[in-house]
Amino acid sequence: AQRVTQPEKLLSVFKGAPVELKCNYSYSGSPELFWYVQYSRQRLQLLLRHISRESIKGFTADLNKGETSFHLKKPFAQEEDSAMYYCALKGGNFNKFYFGSGTKLNVKP
Amino acid sequence: DGGITQSPKYLFRKEGQNVTLSCEQNLNHDAMYWYRQDPGQGLRLIYYSQIVNDFQKGDIAEGYSVSREKKESFPLTVTSAQKNPTAFYLCASSIGFNQPQHFGDGTRLSIL
Repeated sequence: AQRVTQPEKLLSVFKGAPVELKCNYSYSGSPELFWYVQYSRQRLQLLLRHISRESIKGFTADLNKGETSFHLKKPFAQEEDSAMYYCALKGGNFNKFYFGSGTKLNVKP
Repeated sequence: DGGITQSPKYLFRKEGQNVTLSCEQNLNHDAMYWYRQDPGQGLRLIYYSQIVNDFQKGDIAEGYSVSREKKESFPLTVTSAQKNPTAFYLCASSIGFNQPQHFGDGTRLSIL
């Protein structure tokens, strides 16, 4: 069965420190992975998708099929990065989306 | 900002009552979705609709019903058969089925 695991409920880092939000998945085929973000008092929105291989707001994520991971990274965290981050997988029957439970990132000044 | 509008923001229901959550989009998107979010859990898919007049059950459809009579509207009814309806409900839409989704602000449903 498809599953997305975000092991950390809360991640606190200081401004300027590197940050890595972990995401592991289980899926037998070739998944498509996404990161969604929800800033305070804003809607959930797409941050990036692995097929685009892009960097958004300094964040990158590499799909590691061997480790079945799609960790989100940023070399220098900013206070405005504080938000809730959700990892999502598209796949399975009917190519549906499966979301992880989310990680709250708190960037301290 | 427009796009997807969910109403109301907060909703209270008495035991045994059905209640309908509204979701409207002006993005001309074909696909629409309803998710449920509980504390400590990810979003779980309730129902989805790929095109108007069509909808499919998601992973947790029991106790819910939907309709898609108009492209821009995808209301969700929480029936009395839903044993644990207290949750945060999110509606989303996408230009095509399972393209990246745009989300509404959500509706928080509580049981009195």
